[in-house]
Amino acid sequence: QPQLQESGPGLVKPSETLSLICTVSDDSISNSAYFWGWIRQSPGKGLELIGNTYYYGDAYYNPPLRSRATISVDTAKNQFSLRLTSVTAADTAVYYCARTPVTGDRGRGYVDSWGQGTLVAVSS
Amino acid sequence: DIVMTQSPDSLAVSLGERATINCKSSQNVLYSVDQKNYLAWYQQKPGQPPKLIIYWASTRESGVPDRFSGSGSGTDFTLTISSLQAEDVALYYCQQYYSPPLTFGGGTKVEVK
Repeated sequence: QPQLQESGPGLVKPSETLSLICTVSDDSISNSAYFWGWIRQSPGKGLELIGNTYYYGDAYYNPPLRSRATISVDTAKNQFSLRLTSVTAADTAVYYCARTPVTGDRGRGYVDSWGQGTLVAVSS
Repeated sequence: DIVMTQSPDSLAVSLGERATINCKSSQNVLYSVDQKNYLAWYQQKPGQPPKLIIYWASTRESGVPDRFSGSGSGTDFTLTISSLQAEDVALYYCQQYYSPPLTFGGGTKVEVK
């Protein structure tokens, strides 16, 4: 199984941009058998897909977050990243990076590998 | 979006006894072309990420004990722990991957009676 590790600030101010990186080891992010994506978990909304992508880009975003989220891939570093703009307190959550076997279109699939998760709080 | 509804919210079971968790999807998740149910189950312990235990509704992930089994089709699914062990105390989630975005149930907490 691959290892996925999230990194980034644990505190972001309201209206600013949340930025996280997921570093993948023991697998290549260029493996076409998988999507790479982000899922968050909060007490209020439970587990929620933010989006996922193939290694060459062309990400799918959950519609409520589509206008604010960007997922990018850096194959040279074997990393992918998340940017979420204009954050509010509602974006406070544990953010997980995740690997999903390709079973159909982007935005689908079960998660067979998860990062440990990183808590991001939005507060001034 | 497909809404996943789990029941009960929590259950307490004696060690060695059976635990049964139900999951209902708001739409059919059985794909007619491949006759597969696009439904997964996860186990989550405090401070840990969810762990995949079942996919395709009834296929156990590698390394998962055979006391865990999944069943059901269409819109109604069940996760069964045939003989509860202390290490099975956790939150359990179902998830559909039939239609984007993938969506999760609200979770069922399993405790020891």
